[in-house]
This record gives sequence, structure tokens and C-alpha cells, in this order.
Amino acid sequence: EPEVTQTPSHQVTQMGQEVILRCVPISNHLYFYWYRQILGQKVEFLVSFYNNEISEKSEIFDDQFSVERPDGSNFTLKIRSTKLEDSAMYFCASSEFVSGETQYFGPGTRLLVL
Amino acid sequence: AQTVTQSQPEMSVQEAETVTLSCTYDTSESDYYLFWYKQPPSRQMILVIRQEAYKQQNATENRFSVNFQKAAKSFSLKISDSQLGDAAMYFCAYRSIPNTGNQFYFGTGTSLTVIP
Repeated sequence: EPEVTQTPSHQVTQMGQEVILRCVPISNHLYFYWYRQILGQKVEFLVSFYNNEISEKSEIFDDQFSVERPDGSNFTLKIRSTKLEDSAMYFCASSEFVSGETQYFGPGTRLLVL
Repeated sequence: AQTVTQSQPEMSVQEAETVTLSCTYDTSESDYYLFWYKQPPSRQMILVIRQEAYKQQNATENRFSVNFQKAAKSFSLKISDSQLGDAAMYFCAYRSIPNTGNQFYFGTGTSLTVIP
């Protein structure tokens, strides 16, 4: 069964550094999402992406964040200058359509900012 | 904004027994979708069951069923004949109807332990 994959599984970085989290959505899916979960807290929506542009974003998704689909398969989340509070598990998800559609999640990238 | 509450951080069940995980939500919308996702340790979240709010009939999926009480804004998950492989974190999630937002709102999760 097709799955969403994410790399790396873990990343440790220094505060102020840039990180890029990578995701490969399911191949025939058209809608892509990033969520994050700070330890002990809820999974929170960051951004959704469709047709090469952001369709929706949360307050968390400020100018430090950007998303890109650099080729036909990858979907990336970039954090330009990481802060301590960016430490979290980041989940990528994709869905075939938007209409009531289930989102399929990747295994997550655990980001630790020191 | 919509909120989802899971009041049971941890639950345990004896193998082959039945367990119910609770979820409540707050919304002013009349149409929406509700989901239960399961996240085994170090694995991705996978969909367990989905309910459309306009459907009165409770969704079922093999050993998994829901008790959807729209007026009470309650959406509990019942797992029958629990198996060791059911041990996981379970997340309840809410999603608005299309064109009003496609993000999911999650609860904090319930960690389910299955005792052999």
C-alpha cells in the first residue's frame, strides 16, 4: 500500500540554522500538508499546498517557514532560522482530493533545536 | 476555531476485551468530518475510522466502531476484541467541510495499552 515517507527521521540543529524537512507524498495525491506536534501537545496544522501554491496556513506558519514542491515527487518544509521552540515532531500528509478526503500521514521528522 | 478534547491520556485493556476511547469537540458548524487515527510506536498515523456529520448511522470498521452523538458533540471509539496490535496512540480529529478549510484539528491523543 502506498505510504507517505519523510526524511530524515531525526534532525538535530543549532539555533539560528536553516533546516529542510523532506516528504514524498503518495504519488497520485494532489494536496499536501504539514503539521507539527510539540512534545506533550496537540498535533497542529501548519500549511496546506495545492497546485504549487499555499492554499491555507495557520498563525504558526510565519515568515520563517516556507514550503516547496521542487520536483514531481518531493514536498519540503524549510525553517530559515530555527528557534528553540521549533523543536517538535513534524508530520507531512497528503490527500488525493480535498473533498472530505482522508489525509495520509508520514512517520514524522523529530526536530531538536539546541 | 474548532477544538478537540481527549480527556483520557492513557487507557489500558485486557486482550480480547472491549475498550472505549472518548473524544469531544466544539464547533459551530453543522457539517464536518470526524476521524480516529492510530499511531503505533515509531510509525505513522493511519486512519482507523471516519464519520461524516450528516450521517446519523455510526461508522463501523471491523472491530472498530464509533458512537457519534452530534448534539452532545461526542465521538467515542469502541475497540472490540482488543488485540496486542491495537496498542498505540489514538488521535481524534475534526475537519471542516470543503471550501471552509481543509486542515485537521487534533486532540492530544490517548495512549492505549493492551495487556496480554
